[in-house]
Amino acid sequence: AQSVAQPEDQVNVAEGNPLTVKCTYSVSGNPYLFWYVQYPNRGLQFLLKYITGDNLVKGSYGFEAEFNKSQTSFHLKKPSALVSDSALYFCAVRDWGSGTYKYIFGTGTRLKVLA
Amino acid sequence: DADVTQTPRNRITKTGKRIMLECSQTKGHDRMYWYRQDPGLGLRLIYYSFDVKDINKGEISDGYSVSRQAQAKFSLSLESAIPNQTALYFCATSDYFGQGRTGELFFGEGSRLTVL
Repeated sequence: AQSVAQPEDQVNVAEGNPLTVKCTYSVSGNPYLFWYVQYPNRGLQFLLKYITGDNLVKGSYGFEAEFNKSQTSFHLKKPSALVSDSALYFCAVRDWGSGTYKYIFGTGTRLKVLA
Repeated sequence: DADVTQTPRNRITKTGKRIMLECSQTKGHDRMYWYRQDPGLGLRLIYYSFDVKDINKGEISDGYSVSRQAQAKFSLSLESAIPNQTALYFCATSDYFGQGRTGELFFGEGSRLTVL
């Protein structure tokens, strides 16, 4: 079965420091991976995706993610964190196994950037 | 105006009442979804629809029903609400995957439902 794991419930980082939010996945075929961000009282917003090609994917708000096939990971990164990056982050994988093209979400990681 | 609009944004109701959450979109997407968000559980799929005549159950469809009234409208109903259906509900849309389209989801702002 396809699955996504976000091993950290919360990540704290000081403003200006680099941040990493971890995601690992399990899929039977080629992984199509996504990151979404949820700000308080808002819906989820698409940040970036990996479909194919370069392992380093760049997205919105200065975020990037590194696809690592051997480690089955898709960690979200940013070189210099901002207080405004504080939010809930979700990793998701597109489920091909059942042929229904559904998305499977991780449980979310709350990022707190400290001033 | 938002591309994906959910109404109501907040609702408090009592056990046993029928509740409908509505979703409309201006993205022009065929695919629409209803998700439920609970703390620590992430998002779980309730129902999804790939066109007006196509409705499919997700992983937690028990106690819920849906109606796809048009390409742009997808409503979620709780026939007899119970307290453990208290959650944040999201509607989402997506394009199909292929021919350069990558099918990412576009979410509404959410409908917070409390069942007393």
